[in-house]
Amino acid sequence: EPEVTQTPSHQVTQMGQEVILRCVPISNHLYFYWYRQILGQKVEFLVSFYNNEISEKSEIFDDQFSVERPDGSNFTLKIRSTKLEDSAMYFCARTGSTDTQYFGPGTRLTVL
Amino acid sequence: GQSLEQPSEVTAVEGAIVQINCTYQTSGFYGLSWYQQHDGGAPTFLSYNALDGLEETGRFSSFLSRSDSYGYLLLQELQMKDSASYFCAHEGSARQLTFGSGTQLTVLP
Repeated sequence: EPEVTQTPSHQVTQMGQEVILRCVPISNHLYFYWYRQILGQKVEFLVSFYNNEISEKSEIFDDQFSVERPDGSNFTLKIRSTKLEDSAMYFCARTGSTDTQYFGPGTRLTVL
Repeated sequence: GQSLEQPSEVTAVEGAIVQINCTYQTSGFYGLSWYQQHDGGAPTFLSYNALDGLEETGRFSSFLSRSDSYGYLLLQELQMKDSASYFCAHEGSARQLTFGSGTQLTVLP
């Protein structure tokens, strides 16, 4: 099954700036997820999004984070005021016909 | 809390069989998945067990024992391209995945 696509592949930003990471589904899926992976560490769940609403979020997903599906197609993760520790790979995932999660290629976020 | 334990590193030679174990603790269990990740790449789904027993997909098999909170991934006929990190992950009520810390597999010629 095709994976989602993500843009940009690499984002460099200054601490305190807002960033928006985008996930573009190939077809009309209902379940989306955001995960992050700090370099050398495990993949961590951030938030799940079902039928245009947040269905679950982790402790990492604090008030600095938000998710939207602004145009019914793209699925975005916004970090309002980035911190150095937000530097990580951010993966979007979606479930397929068998509830398996398929990950996008990721966006590498570097906060300076 | 929720946690998954797996060995940090495993080394094997081409053509061999390797088993990567995963023990978990969770308040709610819906299934155990296995993912492969090459350096700089995205996690790629390998296998999934919701019920006890063995699931086979080509050279990869995965086993689950819910009573023992234990599973493993079995890789047969190892190839150089299998060198990667392997993660077990359990699924929560909203289908979110909680990953283990990963096992770095090195396949030697």
